[in-house]
Amino acid sequence: GQNIDQPTEMTATEGAIVQINCTYQTSGFNGLFWYQQHAGEAPTFLSYNVLDGLEEKGRFSSFLSRSKGYSYLLLKELQMKDSASYLCAAMDSNYQLIWGAGTKLIIKP
Amino acid sequence: GAVVSQHPSRVICKSGTSVKIECRSLDFQATTMFWYRQFPKQSLMLMATSNEGSKATYEQGVEKDKFLINHASLTLSTLTVTSAHPEDSSFYICSATSGGRSGANVLTFGAGSRLTVL
Repeated sequence: GQNIDQPTEMTATEGAIVQINCTYQTSGFNGLFWYQQHAGEAPTFLSYNVLDGLEEKGRFSSFLSRSKGYSYLLLKELQMKDSASYLCAAMDSNYQLIWGAGTKLIIKP
Repeated sequence: GAVVSQHPSRVICKSGTSVKIECRSLDFQATTMFWYRQFPKQSLMLMATSNEGSKATYEQGVEKDKFLINHASLTLSTLTVTSAHPEDSSFYICSATSGGRSGANVLTFGAGSRLTVL
């Protein structure tokens, strides 16, 4: 079956770095997405990886290893506003998104 | 960037009534729109996929007669929750893509509609 695994909750300190991991199993693969979702709001796009390696975009970076079915989202210089849920989603061979349950990130001062 | 407008953002209705939620792509033509439901502290659950001018494709377990989806134009899709019951209370979110079967197509989400059925 198709499955996405990511931690339920993580806690980090303001100014620090945090890495949110995601493993996936899909029928075929057409890319890995990361979305940020603040409580009570809709998700917003953060990153898309389809090739192996690290994509850096400001304070956020996303990594993909297709052979391992693994991705991570790296957040640097954490700010209080980064407190949110981070959703990992893999696109299968039918271009359907398989969503993880999300990782709730709590930032402490 | 691409913008998707969804309204109403909040709606409270009595049990047995119907509620319509609109999803509009403001600056692009959305060939495909998706409707999701999200319960508190849970992930997005895809309800249906709608393509302009054709019938929506519903996910297993989603009642098509209860959740009516219409994608009449390239910029508008509507979800109607018919005969709503308290268990239908949830956060409903639409998303749209400009199309093409490309993994690089990014979904743009509406702001979501919180439905409370009394």
